[in-house]
Amino acid sequence: GGIITQTPKFLIGQEGQKLTLKCQQNFNHDTMYWYRQDSGKGLRLIYYSITENDLQKGDLSEGYDASREKKSSFSLTVTSAQKNEMAVFLCASRPGTGGYAEQFFGPGTRLTVL
Amino acid sequence: GDSVTQTEGQVALSEEDFLTIHCNYSASGYPALFWYVQYPGEGPQFLFRASRDKEKGSSRGFEATYNKETTSFHLQKASVQESDSAVYYCALGAYTGYQNFYFGKGTSLTVIP
Repeated sequence: GGIITQTPKFLIGQEGQKLTLKCQQNFNHDTMYWYRQDSGKGLRLIYYSITENDLQKGDLSEGYDASREKKSSFSLTVTSAQKNEMAVFLCASRPGTGGYAEQFFGPGTRLTVL
Repeated sequence: GDSVTQTEGQVALSEEDFLTIHCNYSASGYPALFWYVQYPGEGPQFLFRASRDKEKGSSRGFEATYNKETTSFHLQKASVQESDSAVYYCALGAYTGYQNFYFGKGTSLTVIP
């Protein structure tokens, strides 16, 4: 088995601040994902990466940067936090790059912007 | 493009009621279909998968059958319990292409004791 760790669990930021979220997985999975979860809107893909140093934009990439310097880690940066923003950011990983394997999720980082 | 539609945004049932959450998909080719469950404060957990027509996936008393004709993968459980209260996501995984995993908007299930 394995686990996905997300840090921090809670993140409080100020408007305009640059904020970084981190994700580590010990599954040795190839593909990693960042999703944003807003109430009533499901999971929206921000970025994904199929291997170390690879980055692919999802539907919601504007306002975010990502980095995958190691196979086991995937970071997400909110480039300029928006006032009153509240969301959960979920990291996930999956073996290989094909579509039949399930994704495994971390517990999430809960962002609040004051 | 590929997509997943969950009809119900919220469902409220009493304990021992029968559950159906509807999931329909649109995809080229032959995707795999998934159900995930998310409890408060946690990330989604994989429930089960089906990857071919008429295949039934099941776990923890939940089940769904892949129906290529009606492009559906409806989640069912015969007798729900309060502990089943959670958000349920239907998802599609296509075999080719990297950005190949799509989630529905989720269905919030509340089971009243």
